Amino acid sequence: AQSVTQLGSHVSVSEGALVLLRCNYSSSVPPYLFWYVQYPNQGLQLLLKYTTGATLVKGINGFEAEFKKSETSFHLTKPSAHMSDAAEYFCAVSALTGFQKLVFGTGTRLLVSP
Amino acid sequence: SAVISQKPSRDICQRGTSLTIQCQVDSQVTMMFWYRQQPGQSLTLIATANQGSEATYESGFVIDKFPISRPNLTFSTLTVSNMSPEDSSIYLCSVLPGGANYGYTFGSGTRLTVV
Repeated sequence: AQSVTQLGSHVSVSEGALVLLRCNYSSSVPPYLFWYVQYPNQGLQLLLKYTTGATLVKGINGFEAEFKKSETSFHLTKPSAHMSDAAEYFCAVSALTGFQKLVFGTGTRLLVSP
Repeated sequence: SAVISQKPSRDICQRGTSLTIQCQVDSQVTMMFWYRQQPGQSLTLIATANQGSEATYESGFVIDKFPISRPNLTFSTLTVSNMSPEDSSIYLCSVLPGGANYGYTFGSGTRLTVV
């Protein structure tokens, strides 16, 4: 079974500051890991994903995440926050094999101040 | 990646009535997923719909309350039956085009308010 823990329901940063959103997962099998973003009143958009290969993955809008198996983590970062980054961010995990159900974390709301 | 058209985008319904949400995909997909996102909460999987078979429901969700149809490989509907204010949520459909390593694609969601 898979599960995801996102530390911090809200994260506040200033424009131009580093963004760090934390995600830890639990999986009994090799996982696929995803970060999704949800802007107000919209659906979910895939930011980036880790499946196999390089552990540092780059996504859209300048975001990246690093898969650290030893720490069971997949934290999302962006060097410099923009006002337009304000949104809800969800980390999710699915199994590499078998029934590929997507399990979401509780989400982190990113607030960006001028 | 697939493009999903989901409708209605929002609705306000009276308690005791039912609402059917439609999800149309621009390519054939084996599995379609229906999620519920309650206000201020994360997404919870309601059920998985495979074409030609009964939907598989997650714990806490039943077919009588959330009947699902999957008549072909590009279309599915979710009905929210006998609604109460507790059903006020965003409902999203999702597909898995090409396998999990390609990422799941989501519809834009249906924002349901039950009064």
